[in-house]
Amino acid sequence: GNSVTQMEGPVTLSEEAFLTINCTYTATGYPSLFWYVQYPGEGLQLLLKATKADDKGSNKGFEATYRKETTSFHLEKGSVQVSDSAVYFCALRIQGAQKLVFGQGTRLTINP
Amino acid sequence: EAGVAQSPRYKIIEKRQSVAFWCNPISGHATLYWYQQILGQGPKLLIQFQNNGVVDDSQLPKDRFSAERLKGVDSTLKIQPAKLEDSAVYLCASSRRGDGYTFGSGTRLTVV
Repeated sequence: GNSVTQMEGPVTLSEEAFLTINCTYTATGYPSLFWYVQYPGEGLQLLLKATKADDKGSNKGFEATYRKETTSFHLEKGSVQVSDSAVYFCALRIQGAQKLVFGQGTRLTINP
Repeated sequence: EAGVAQSPRYKIIEKRQSVAFWCNPISGHATLYWYQQILGQGPKLLIQFQNNGVVDDSQLPKDRFSAERLKGVDSTLKIQPAKLEDSAVYLCASSRRGDGYTFGSGTRLTVV
């Protein structure tokens, strides 16, 4: 079946540290890949996406590259801020379908 | 544009009681989704509507959950009777054609 696996959390970093949150997937066909962020008390927001192999999605200093050979879509940011503290979800959508399949989420806390 | 509206924000009920959640999607969005997000897990699709028709309800526990979208606009999700394991955040989302999901803030249900 289709599934997404994220690195275990929670993750705690100091401000300005480098961030990586790992995400791997299993899917039939060629999925689109997404990272969503959920700030405390708010709904899920799309952070970035990539629709085909080798595409790089980027937004707000975050980046992720669609790696078909390793079935991965790791999220990175060079210098995190306290305001990046949130829960991050990796997700996929199968070509021709509309529903999203989510990973379990990774809680990120950034300390000043 | 206005976002996806959900109500109530919070609900506490006893097991075996019934509960209903309401969702008003973004105007013009034909596709509406209900997701269940159990604490520590990623959201899981319960049901997907295209206008007022059901596209996917394969993971909806139909013995106790029901949902409707009678006029192709707003939607209600009902649980009757509730069980302890139904405690979760229920997220509503809408999209125009499967891309550009917008999520509501969710309804947090606690079953005691």
